[in-house]
Amino acid sequence: AQSVTQLDSQVPVFEEAPVELRCNYSSSVSVYLFWYVQYPNQGLQLLLKYLSGSTLVKGINGFEAEFNKSQTSFHLRKPSVHISDTAEYFCAVSASGGSYIPTFGRGTSLIVHP
Amino acid sequence: DAGVIQSPRHEVTEMGQEVTLRCKPISGHNSLFWYRQTMMRGLELLIYFNNNVPIDDSGMPEDRFSAKMPNASFSTLKIQPSEPRDSAVYFCASSLPLTGTVGNIQYFGAGTRLSVL
Repeated sequence: AQSVTQLDSQVPVFEEAPVELRCNYSSSVSVYLFWYVQYPNQGLQLLLKYLSGSTLVKGINGFEAEFNKSQTSFHLRKPSVHISDTAEYFCAVSASGGSYIPTFGRGTSLIVHP
Repeated sequence: DAGVIQSPRHEVTEMGQEVTLRCKPISGHNSLFWYRQTMMRGLELLIYFNNNVPIDDSGMPEDRFSAKMPNASFSTLKIQPSEPRDSAVYFCASSLPLTGTVGNIQYFGAGTRLSVL
């Protein structure tokens, strides 16, 4: 079984500042990793995913994440945030074999202040 | 494609009443998931279907909850009788077939916000 820990429940930041949202996972098998974003009153949508290959993954809206196997982490970063990035961000992990059902973290609320 | 469509968007009901939530998955997606989101528990997987067949309902909290998928384009989640602690946002998501699709992505509906008074 897999598990995901998102270390921060809330991250406040000023507009145009950089941000990092942290995610750690545990699994006894190889994994696929995902970040989803949930804007207010909407469902989750995929931001980016890591399946294999380059450990640095680029997603939509200028976000990127780096897979670090030794630290079992998949932190999400953006060099300069906008007000419109205010949302809930979910890290998810699924086993690389089997049914690929993802396990979601508790979410991190990113709050961008003007 | 219109994406995953859920109805109603909001539901307010009284304790003891039956509640039915509806979901239309993306055409061509063989897998469907029901989630519940609360502040206390986060996002919980309740049940998922593959090719209209329930595969795992271990997340369904009680016998008061039931889900059906009579065909590939429609699913329901029913709560009978409803209780105040069922108040939450319920999401439906769909995806390509679970097996054989590497790094399967889930596509979520906008959710149904349920309030049980």
